[in-house]
Amino acid sequence: SQKIEQNSEALNIQEGKTATLTCNYTNYSPAYLQWYRQDPGRGPVFLLLIRENEKEKRKERLKVTFDTTLKQSLFHITASQPADSATYLCALVLEYGNKLVFGAGTILRVKS
Amino acid sequence: SAVISQKPSRDICQRGTSLTIQCQVDSQVTMMFWYRQQPGQSLTLIATANQGSEATYESGFVIDKFPISRPNLTFSTLTVSNMSPEDSSIYLCSVVQGPRSSGYEQYFGPGTRLTVT
Repeated sequence: SQKIEQNSEALNIQEGKTATLTCNYTNYSPAYLQWYRQDPGRGPVFLLLIRENEKEKRKERLKVTFDTTLKQSLFHITASQPADSATYLCALVLEYGNKLVFGAGTILRVKS
Repeated sequence: SAVISQKPSRDICQRGTSLTIQCQVDSQVTMMFWYRQQPGQSLTLIATANQGSEATYESGFVIDKFPISRPNLTFSTLTVSNMSPEDSSIYLCSVVQGPRSSGYEQYFGPGTRLTVT
């Protein structure tokens, strides 16, 4: 069956450290993988996308890796800040269309 | 990026009634979607709202329960019909703006929090 899995447990880290979030998928062949941030009571906000032929993408303090062999993406936030506390969702863009399939998200808490 | 508004932002409804949610975008967009996010769960795509034709529904969602209109390229409505407590959820609209090469990044509205009693 098709699945997208993200860390089900909340990730608690100290301010200044690097947060690493994981997204694993099975039985999908995504053309792109996207990461979104969602704050309580708000809609998701797009952060980054990475294409199937890319290994790594960076944007300011954010870094995403994509391993299509392992079927895994890692999302890193360096020098984390309390303002980074939110739920982070990964989403697969399926190659036969523009349909997004979302993971359940990982709650990140950055403590000062 | 597109700015999306939704009305109402929240509502409490009686079972058996219907609620229509509006989604307004500040620019014309080709692709518009409706999602549901149940408490503590992931976003689930309900349907793609097609301008000028019937919406395309995902498995498990039917037109009689979730009729959708899209009269133009900036506006859509989702109706939740004959509601039951299981329909309590956040409903979100989203749009894709930009060419295919942009990777289909989506912009989401703020959501409508529905509680059915």
